[in-house]
Amino acid sequence: AQSVTQLGSHVSVSEGALVLLRCNYSSSVPPYLFWYVQYPNQGLQLLLKYTSAATLVKGINGFEAEFKKSETSFHLTKPSAHMSDAAEYFCAVSPQGGSEKLVFGKGTKLTVNP
Amino acid sequence: DAGVIQSPRHEVTEMGQEVTLRCKPISGHNSLFWYRQTMMRGLELLIYFNNNVPIDDSGMPEDRFSAKMPNASFSTLKIQPSEPRDSAVYFCATGTSGKNEQFFGPGTRLTVL
Repeated sequence: AQSVTQLGSHVSVSEGALVLLRCNYSSSVPPYLFWYVQYPNQGLQLLLKYTSAATLVKGINGFEAEFKKSETSFHLTKPSAHMSDAAEYFCAVSPQGGSEKLVFGKGTKLTVNP
Repeated sequence: DAGVIQSPRHEVTEMGQEVTLRCKPISGHNSLFWYRQTMMRGLELLIYFNNNVPIDDSGMPEDRFSAKMPNASFSTLKIQPSEPRDSAVYFCATGTSGKNEQFFGPGTRLTVL
């Protein structure tokens, strides 16, 4: 079975500061891992995904995430926050070669202060 | 390219009424997922289809909920009778088998009074 834990339901950073959103996963088989972003009153949009190629994955809007098997983590980072990054971010996991179902974390709401 | 299309975008109804939510997947996608999002429970998978066949409906809350996919271009999620606790945003997402990546629609915000 797969599960995802996102540490911190709310994260606040200053504009220009580092963004770090934490995600730990549990999976009995090699996982696919995803980060999605949800802006207010919109659907979820894929930021990036890990599918067992490079462990450092680059996504849209300057975000990246690193897959660390030893730590069962897939944290999302961005070197310099922008006001437009304010949104809710969801980490998700699904098993490689298995069900297409995504198991989502509960989300982290990012606030960017001027 | 058109993304996932959901209708209506907003629905306000009274308890006991039937509600039908609609989804048109991205052309060529053969997997379709219905989710419900609330503040209390987060994002929950209700049911998913592959090649128009329901694969996993274990997330459907109860018999009041039903979903159909009569063809590759259309799916419905029906609630009958609706209850206030069904108030939520319902998302449809679609994808291609083997890629595990899902594309979400804009959602339908349902309010049951």
